[in-house]
Amino acid sequence: AQSVAQPEDQVNVAEGNPLTVKCTYSVSGNPYLFWYVQYPNRGLQFLLKYITGDNLVKGSYGFEAEFNKSQTSFHLKKPSALVSDSALYFCAVSYYGGSQGNLIFGKGTKLSVKP
Amino acid sequence: GAVVSQHPSRVICKSGTSVKIECRSLDFQATTMFWYRQFPKQSLMLMATSNEGSKATYEQGVEKDKFLINHASLTLSTLTVTSAHPEDSSFYICSGDRDDGYTFGSGTRLTVV
Repeated sequence: AQSVAQPEDQVNVAEGNPLTVKCTYSVSGNPYLFWYVQYPNRGLQFLLKYITGDNLVKGSYGFEAEFNKSQTSFHLKKPSALVSDSALYFCAVSYYGGSQGNLIFGKGTKLSVKP
Repeated sequence: GAVVSQHPSRVICKSGTSVKIECRSLDFQATTMFWYRQFPKQSLMLMATSNEGSKATYEQGVEKDKFLINHASLTLSTLTVTSAHPEDSSFYICSGDRDDGYTFGSGTRLTVV
């Protein structure tokens, strides 16, 4: 069965420190992988996606993610966290095609960045 | 960037009544709109896909007679929760499909009392 796992409900990071939000997936075939961020009282915002090509993908707000096929992971990273990065982060995978109608979302990870 | 306007942001309704949620694409034409539901501490789940001028496609387990979707124009899609019950309380979010990205509305928090 197709699935996405975000093993951490919450990640706490001090401002200025690097952050990692974990995501692993299980799909048949080649996955299309996405990260979205949800700020309080606002809709989901697209951060980045991996379709093909370089395993390291750079996205909005200084975030990046590395596709690791052998570990079936797509962890979200940022070298230096900001307090304003505090939000809910969703990993998603499309098991065929790029249409968001086929997206499967993880449960979300709450990122809390303290000053 | 592309904007999808979703209203209302919050609504409280009595059990048995109906609630309509609107999503408008403000600066692009959304041939396709997706409707998601998010229960607390759970992931977003796709409910249905609406296509302008045709019937919506519902995901397995979603009652089409309960969650009425209308996509009468390229800029407006509506979701009506009919005869709402407390178990329908959830966060509903729409998304417009663009060639260059995926744009989500701000969501609607529905509470049925």
